[in-house]
Amino acid sequence: KAGVTQTPRYLIKTRGQQVTLSCSPISGHRSVSWYQQTPGQGLQFLFEYFSETQRNKGNFPGRFSGRQFSNSRSEMNVSTLELGDSALYLCASSLGTADNQPQHFGDGTRLSIL
Amino acid sequence: AQSVSQHNHHVILSEAASLELGCNYSYGGTVNLFWYVQYPGQHLQLLLKYFSGDPLVKGIKGFEAEFIKSKFSFNLRKPSVQWSDTAEYFCAVPNQGGKLIFGQGTELSVKP
Repeated sequence: KAGVTQTPRYLIKTRGQQVTLSCSPISGHRSVSWYQQTPGQGLQFLFEYFSETQRNKGNFPGRFSGRQFSNSRSEMNVSTLELGDSALYLCASSLGTADNQPQHFGDGTRLSIL
Repeated sequence: AQSVSQHNHHVILSEAASLELGCNYSYGGTVNLFWYVQYPGQHLQLLLKYFSGDPLVKGIKGFEAEFIKSKFSFNLRKPSVQWSDTAEYFCAVPNQGGKLIFGQGTELSVKP
């Protein structure tokens, strides 16, 4: 069974640009969550999608947005990039909602802002 | 707001030493509790989980954790660590809204 797939693995962008990250969950999983991981802040919850609906959102500015498609694949978009957005962005999927089911993580997309 | 505290940021042990990593959470209701591990260069993976029942749960690779409701704790233990246990360990608890909140992580270094 294939794991969670995130693309691309690495991205380099400059301030002011926008970026879209993609996540393909494990087949059959309906919940997809996104996290930002940095050395200083650790793992911070961005949002969770379940059956194409945003179920939860973390404390991030509106520049961070996401969506989920009918096949459960998810995308995350960050607009007007800032230096502080440099981080590892992790996607996780689960059968049910993230609070009731263990999550399976992808390898992440490392985003560097110059 | 719900929070998760991991008291040890970096733990250094010799092989065969016993391990206990602390995790405390602030939410007082019914909780599900998780420990995740991130080995160097690998993705986060589930180590063990507690949903209900026996408060002593066993996970992969000889790890176990004990849920103590009165202390709001879910400490991770292993009687004898190996060099291959070198990794970062994260405790996670969903908050009332269902968001999964992670602790800051504990980096474990095991000396051969």
